[in-house]
Amino acid sequence: DVKVTQSSRYLVKRTGEKVFLECVQDMDHENMFWYRQDPGLGLRLIYFSYDVKMKEKGDIPEGYSVSREKKERFSLILESASTNQTSMYLCASSLYPGRVEETQYFGPGTRLLVL
Amino acid sequence: RKEVEQDPGPFNVPEGATVAFNCTYSNSASQSFFWYRQDCRKEPKLLMSVYSSGNEDGRFTAQLNRASQYISLLIRDSKLSDSATYLCVVNSNYGQNFVFGPGTRLSVLP
Repeated sequence: DVKVTQSSRYLVKRTGEKVFLECVQDMDHENMFWYRQDPGLGLRLIYFSYDVKMKEKGDIPEGYSVSREKKERFSLILESASTNQTSMYLCASSLYPGRVEETQYFGPGTRLLVL
Repeated sequence: RKEVEQDPGPFNVPEGATVAFNCTYSNSASQSFFWYRQDCRKEPKLLMSVYSSGNEDGRFTAQLNRASQYISLLIRDSKLSDSATYLCVVNSNYGQNFVFGPGTRLSVLP
């Protein structure tokens, strides 16, 4: 069974703090993704990585950075948290190149509140 | 135009009803298609992949029409436990580019 874990389920931070969200997958997947999900806006891709030390911007990378030093771990960093970054953050992984029906597997999510 | 669009919902149906969700996608190069289910305050989970010939899993049937760039999900004999948001997902790069629809919320009422 694929397992994607995230370091925290709930997090409360203050404006201006540096925030680290960690994600680990145990299926040797090449691809890892960070999304945020907000009511009415659905899932929006922040960054993804297709290999160690590689990263690609998604649809909304502003205010975020990522790090992938090991294949199984993908970190999302909020350099200076702001209240508009209050959201549900979801990490996912997928196999690449995969069969056409290969899909993504999600972690349980981190609910971040920035005060 | 959004890349993946779904029925706006919400759908409120009685137990035992049949309900159908529709999804359209704009990228004709899309290769794979999925329906995910997301319960309130939880992560999305794969419900089923969608194959060209259509596929069925118990009470759930998924259809794909590549010519019309349209995907559907049919749920028969709805249960209370089917209440969730259903997300249509389209992939166009063998595992690298997943695009999610906004989701359709279903409430099955007793």
